[in-house]
Amino acid sequence: GEKVEQHESTLSVREGDSAVINCTYTDTASSYFPWYKQEAGKSLHFVIDIRSNVDRKQSQRLIVLLDKKAKRFSLHITATQPEDSAIYFCAASMATGNYKYVFGAGTRLKVIA
Amino acid sequence: NAGVIQTPRHKVTGKGQEATLWCEPISGHSAVFWYRQTIVQGLEFLTYFRNQAPIDDSGMPKERFSAQMPNQSHSTLKIQSTQPQDSAVYLCASNWGNQDTQYFGPGTRLLVL
Repeated sequence: GEKVEQHESTLSVREGDSAVINCTYTDTASSYFPWYKQEAGKSLHFVIDIRSNVDRKQSQRLIVLLDKKAKRFSLHITATQPEDSAIYFCAASMATGNYKYVFGAGTRLKVIA
Repeated sequence: NAGVIQTPRHKVTGKGQEATLWCEPISGHSAVFWYRQTIVQGLEFLTYFRNQAPIDDSGMPKERFSAQMPNQSHSTLKIQSTQPQDSAVYLCASNWGNQDTQYFGPGTRLLVL
């Protein structure tokens, strides 16, 4: 089955710098890649996604890149702010009628003021 | 829109007791997903329903765990003879049943003593 590896378990950046979180997946049938943010004691909050028919998507300070050949996708947070501090999860899902998510292990991002 | 509702938010049960967790999906959503989150295993898929029909229960432990969706407005996850290793946050998510964003509820934190 699908496996998603999230490469950075922790990441510290200075406020205003960019943060990059990288994920790889194993199943070429995966075609939908969402990202979620989890703040302390809270549930998962959707932040951005990308589908396999594009290789880049931007929403304000968030950019997602997808490299299907390498089976890799990444979240770029530009101009980081202290409120970006949280755990970020990547996930992969297939488009074969079964839309369950397979999650990465999470990256704890700390933005230092 | 109240979002996905999960009850109870916290449950403490003794080893060997039964626990029933409830999920009310967002109105109009046709798919409900259950996940479990622990420090050690991370976010794991358990099961999901589409139009009340079970689609995939591949993540459910074969014994003691069962899930149902008797109507459009709620799903239940039942754990019989709970064990300490069942302690986790159980997350419910819903969406329109296609390859799309899943919206997560606040979770039920289950503690088995």
